[in-house]
Amino acid sequence: QVQLQESGPGLVKPSETLSLTCAVSGYSITSGYYWDWIRQPPGKGLECIGTIYNYGSTYYNPSFKSRVAISLDTSKNQFSLDLSAVTAADTAVYFCARHGADSHFDSWGQGTLVTVSS
Amino acid sequence: EIVLTQSPGTLSSSPGERATLSCRASQSVSSSYLAWYQQKPGQAPRLLIYGASSRATGIPDRFSGSGSGTDFTLTISRLEPEDFAVYYCQQYGSSPYTFGQGTKLEIK
Repeated sequence: QVQLQESGPGLVKPSETLSLTCAVSGYSITSGYYWDWIRQPPGKGLECIGTIYNYGSTYYNPSFKSRVAISLDTSKNQFSLDLSAVTAADTAVYFCARHGADSHFDSWGQGTLVTVSS
Repeated sequence: EIVLTQSPGTLSSSPGERATLSCRASQSVSSSYLAWYQQKPGQAPRLLIYGASSRATGIPDRFSGSGSGTDFTLTISRLEPEDFAVYYCQQYGSSPYTFGQGTKLEIK
């Protein structure tokens, strides 16, 4: 059974880069599927940030396109999110997840809260 | 991008009652690529329904989904105490994938 676990700093200063990692166990990230980052501001709804697939192809939500980068580390079976030039509006719980081609999100990490504050 | 609008924003119901949640899309969702998730405080969303009407593994049959095109419905036939939570619809027919703003199902 696949398991996903987010990790990274819980506090980031404004204008800096938010960096998170999602460790995947129970499934090889090179065996298919799309690997996603999704966020949820406190008390609000869910927003897709972007996805990585096929050994490194990416799709980013246009709302984030100029600030986001998602990458794979196949040696560690994990993938990462970098979100640059953060502001208080980027304060959220960040989830990693996966989905199949033309399919729903079938596995999620527990989420990690990142607060943007000086 | 496809905007999903859920209604009502909050639904107050009692255990044993039937609950009907609505999700309307700003444009047709291709191939009924519509999912429903349940989220409880401090937890990740849990998949309930995919393909508009298929129940995910382990989901009780009191949960059912229906609809196509731009109008979708999640029905909970007889509410159990553990069903009170926030519910989100999500479309995966068009990138970027998008979620509705959620319906909070609360105990009356």
